[in-house]
Amino acid sequence: DQQVKQNSPSLSVQEGRISILNCDYTNSMFDYFLWYKKYPAEGPTFLISISSIKDKNEDGRFTVFLNKSAKHLSLHIVPSQPGDSAVYFCAASARSSGDKLTFGTGTRLAVRP
Amino acid sequence: DAGVIQSPRHEVTEMGQEVTLRCKPISGHNSLFWYRQTMMRGLELLIYFNNNVPIDDSGMPEDRFSAKMPNASFSTLKIQPSEPRDSAVYFCASSHRTTSSYNEQFFGPGTRLTVL
Repeated sequence: DQQVKQNSPSLSVQEGRISILNCDYTNSMFDYFLWYKKYPAEGPTFLISISSIKDKNEDGRFTVFLNKSAKHLSLHIVPSQPGDSAVYFCAASARSSGDKLTFGTGTRLAVRP
Repeated sequence: DAGVIQSPRHEVTEMGQEVTLRCKPISGHNSLFWYRQTMMRGLELLIYFNNNVPIDDSGMPEDRFSAKMPNASFSTLKIQPSEPRDSAVYFCASSHRTTSSYNEQFFGPGTRLTVL
């Protein structure tokens, strides 16, 4: 049972435009959400996060939006740059589960010059 | 800071052989995680330790998998006997657990395992 779902395995965007990556979750106990970025032959690195008490968190070109009623979050990258080309993983955590993270299957973003 | 160190980076073995993956967490971190990445299931948590004690091993697929953390600076993930379906990239991650709601996990570069 996939509790965190990223239904788009890939996304292609023109440089300078907005990239929107989506993530859905099913477990209502999740109260903290994260995005990790992964380049080939490297481990994932933390990008941005959001607590369930907020609906938006912004860090430079990256913004994460959370819609708790829809159990949906999205990552916006604007403007997109070729260096943003990577696999993006959505992850969720529940306070009751300690440090455990549940990841999605990832979305491969390609930013075209 | 050297980051999380994993070895080997690549491992090719034959079905039935024992495989041991190694991890050195970031110095000072007290939580360690083992993940497996596959195309179908993404990143799955296999097991995690806090202060060298296994806390949650519910993600370990079956008895062929075992993990140990004999001290704060070393952990192993062993598969015995290995099977072709174990082929995946295995990641180790560590974090410094505090009382805050979430503590960032830092990942190693992974070990790509191929079982023929």
